[in-house]
Amino acid sequence: AQTVTQSQPEMSVQEAETVTLSCTYDTSESDYYLFWYKQPPSRQMILVIRQEAYKQQNATENRFSVNFQKAAKSFSLKISDSQLGDAAMYFCAYRRGTDKLIFGTGTRLQVFP
Amino acid sequence: GEEVAQTPKHLVRGEGQKAKLYCAPIKGHSYVFWYQQVLKNEFKFLISFQNENVFDETGMPKERFSAKCLPNSPCSLEIQATKLEDSAVYFCASSQSFRGSGAFFGQGTRLTVV
Repeated sequence: AQTVTQSQPEMSVQEAETVTLSCTYDTSESDYYLFWYKQPPSRQMILVIRQEAYKQQNATENRFSVNFQKAAKSFSLKISDSQLGDAAMYFCAYRRGTDKLIFGTGTRLQVFP
Repeated sequence: GEEVAQTPKHLVRGEGQKAKLYCAPIKGHSYVFWYQQVLKNEFKFLISFQNENVFDETGMPKERFSAKCLPNSPCSLEIQATKLEDSAVYFCASSQSFRGSGAFFGQGTRLTVV
């Protein structure tokens, strides 16, 4: 069975600095997709970034980028130029094809002015 | 619609009462997922649909939980005889039919069982 692990329950960063959130996963599949979701206090789940496992190039969305290491089964999220609005829970998720998303336990990110 | 619409936002039920939650997926999305998020923030998968057909129900507590997605109607998740431990936020999400499509979430329904 596939599993997703986020080993950092909490992280903090100073405004304008860079922070990296870690995620590892376990799968025997070769074709799958990885995601990062943001959940602010409003509880709304927001899709931040998506990565296809068959692509070597790391996905980037504005200030958000990933470091995808397929052999190591690692999928970290880097947030550059952190802003107060980035404070939230961040969930890493795995999806095989059209199956359900499997989530990690989340990392709470605090941003200090 | 352009977003996943969940109703109601909040629901309070006495123990043993029935609770029914609704979800209208994004128009054109073929897959619908239901998740339960409890206080520890963990997401527990309940069930998924491909159009009106059950796709994966491995997470459903079969005894008291049921779900449907009928044509031209919102999807629904029903809990018969609610228990205190059913208190949680229930999220619905939908995705397109292509492999690895991102899932888009509704705002959730907070169920409180008292």
